[in-house]
Amino acid sequence: NAGVTQTPKFRVLKTGQSMTLLCAQDMNHEYMYWYRQDPGMGLRLIHYSVGEGTTAKGEVPDGYNVSRLKKQNFLLGLESAAPSQTSVYFCASSNHGTSGIITQYFGPGTRLTVL
Amino acid sequence: KNEVEQSPQNLTAQEGEFITINCSYSVGISALHWLQQHPGGGIVSLFMLSSGKKKHGRLIATINIQEKHSSLHITASHPRDSAVYICAPIQGAQKLVFGQGTRLTINP
Repeated sequence: NAGVTQTPKFRVLKTGQSMTLLCAQDMNHEYMYWYRQDPGMGLRLIHYSVGEGTTAKGEVPDGYNVSRLKKQNFLLGLESAAPSQTSVYFCASSNHGTSGIITQYFGPGTRLTVL
Repeated sequence: KNEVEQSPQNLTAQEGEFITINCSYSVGISALHWLQQHPGGGIVSLFMLSSGKKKHGRLIATINIQEKHSSLHITASHPRDSAVYICAPIQGAQKLVFGQGTRLTINP
């Protein structure tokens, strides 16, 4: 199993450009998440999905859109990148166990710089 | 005030020392993750616990849900334990709330 993979690993954008980050998991997990990590701050939830075809806003959703057309993939889109979106982006996935308590598995991260 | 407070923020110790990292949170939770982030950036879950204590090798995690406090202990610390350790309580809908992390450096 590859676990959780993210594409690309690094990207540099100019202000106003658009891009899509891809997250894929091969563990048949229902839940998927996109986080951003900035210096001096903890990880913050951007958007998440509790199943194929569903998405929900997290703590910092502005400027991002997401789609979950297939269970194994969760896409994060930036329609018009801004320097404030310079960050490291992590994807994670998890399942809902019988006890209701789950473990999240994280991808390796995507380092995005917006000039 | 942050919902999750970790202490210390930075910790440097000598190889072999006993390490304790504390986490206090103000939100209601069902369980809590302790995560490890290595200098390369990857994040792995060390523990997920909802009560009592868990042990994995040299790592021990404890939680007191009533007191809203958790601790991560490392016995016989080693330079390879150097990483950022993140406390992440789990709220409803499987949502994690993250602490800012504790940067641990173990010197040989």
